[in-house]
Amino acid sequence: DAKTTQPNSMESNEEEPVHLPCNHSTISGTDYIHWYRQLPSQGPEYVIHGLTSNVNNRMASLAIAEDRKSSTLILHRATLRDAAVYYCILDFGNEKLTFGTGTRLTIIP
Amino acid sequence: DTGVSQDPRHKITKRGQNVTFRCDPISEHNRLYWYRQTLGQGPEFLTYFQNEAQLEKSRLLSDRFSAERPKGSFSTLEIQRTEQGDSAMYLCASSLRQGIYNEQFFGPGTRLTVL
Repeated sequence: DAKTTQPNSMESNEEEPVHLPCNHSTISGTDYIHWYRQLPSQGPEYVIHGLTSNVNNRMASLAIAEDRKSSTLILHRATLRDAAVYYCILDFGNEKLTFGTGTRLTIIP
Repeated sequence: DTGVSQDPRHKITKRGQNVTFRCDPISEHNRLYWYRQTLGQGPEFLTYFQNEAQLEKSRLLSDRFSAERPKGSFSTLEIQRTEQGDSAMYLCASSLRQGIYNEQFFGPGTRLTVL
């Protein structure tokens, strides 16, 4: 199974953009890239997903490298409520989500 | 609130006791998942149901664990003869898979502490 690599932690100032990187060098052609986040004391929640093209939704943007070996989750204007653990997950058509340890994002007021 | 509820939210038990957790998924969702999360780690898959059929079980699910989803609605996860190593957050998720897209909606979890 393809694996993802993320930094353990990142910090960002409030109201500034945040770029969360993810490496997935062994991704296969049919793997979707999903991002979930887990706020303190809550279950994970879906953020965004993509296959090849960059994607935007009301929560975030997902920039996917041309070779698909890496991707970046972009929060355009971080707020204190965005402090969470962010998980980059490859979905290869299995039912289960395989979480890594994610990136703990701290927002500095 | 995602619409997935879990009960209880917290459970403290003594080693050797049996415990049962309940998950109520979003009503139209046909898939239901159980995950376990220990401190500092991401959630780990335990098992999933499509309607009432249990289709996959992780090797993490020892024979002390059993899950059911009668009538394809709510689900229960039972742990028999609990051990201290079972202490974790147990998360339930549900989804309505449409083609490849399979967004999972998670409940708030049940935190189990085994003394």
